[in-house]
Amino acid sequence: SQKIEQNSEALNIQEGKTATLTCNYTNYSPAYLQWYRQDPGRGPVFLLLIRENEKEKRKERLKVTFDTTLKQSLFHITASQPADSATYLCAPQGFSGGYNKLIFGAGTRLAVHP
Amino acid sequence: DAGITQSPRHKVTETGTPVTLRCHQTENHRYMYWYRQDPGHGLRLIHYSYGVKDTDKGEVSDGYSVSRSKTEDFLLTLESATSSQTSVYFCAISDSRGQNTEAFFGQGTRLTVV
Repeated sequence: SQKIEQNSEALNIQEGKTATLTCNYTNYSPAYLQWYRQDPGRGPVFLLLIRENEKEKRKERLKVTFDTTLKQSLFHITASQPADSATYLCAPQGFSGGYNKLIFGAGTRLAVHP
Repeated sequence: DAGITQSPRHKVTETGTPVTLRCHQTENHRYMYWYRQDPGHGLRLIHYSYGVKDTDKGEVSDGYSVSRSKTEDFLLTLESATSSQTSVYFCAISDSRGQNTEAFFGQGTRLTVV
């Protein structure tokens, strides 16, 4: 069955450093991979989408890579700020029978300390 | 913000009673999803819909049923609630037309089964 793995332990970093979060998947070949941010008590919010034919995608301080050979995506936040503290979810996006079945990893909690 | 509303926002119910949660959208998006979120498990897909009257099971569908009689409404029913179904439930919508496949989430419904 499809499996998505994200670091279950929280990532603690100092303000100004680069945070790197990992998403690994097995048993399917997603055409897209999405990253979301979730704050406590709120629904996830979309951040970035990267396609299988793209190696890297950037948006402001965010960068996502997608290695279909390793079946891995890396999510980077440069010059991190305390406001970046949240849980980050990845969603390798496969299509089940032609339909968009959106499944998420369990997420990694990021804590940025002043 | 995407027009997506979940109701109720909070509910306490007794074991064995039926419960229906409603997700309403004003975006005319094709896809609608129901997830549950529990500590340590992240977002888990219960059921999803890819059109009116078209639904499919997700990862944790046992004990749940869904219906979509109109584009804008997706109902999640617990036929006979159990304590293991105590959770936060999120609805999401996605268009998936062209290159836009990002999902928009509702505010969540906190369900407690006592």
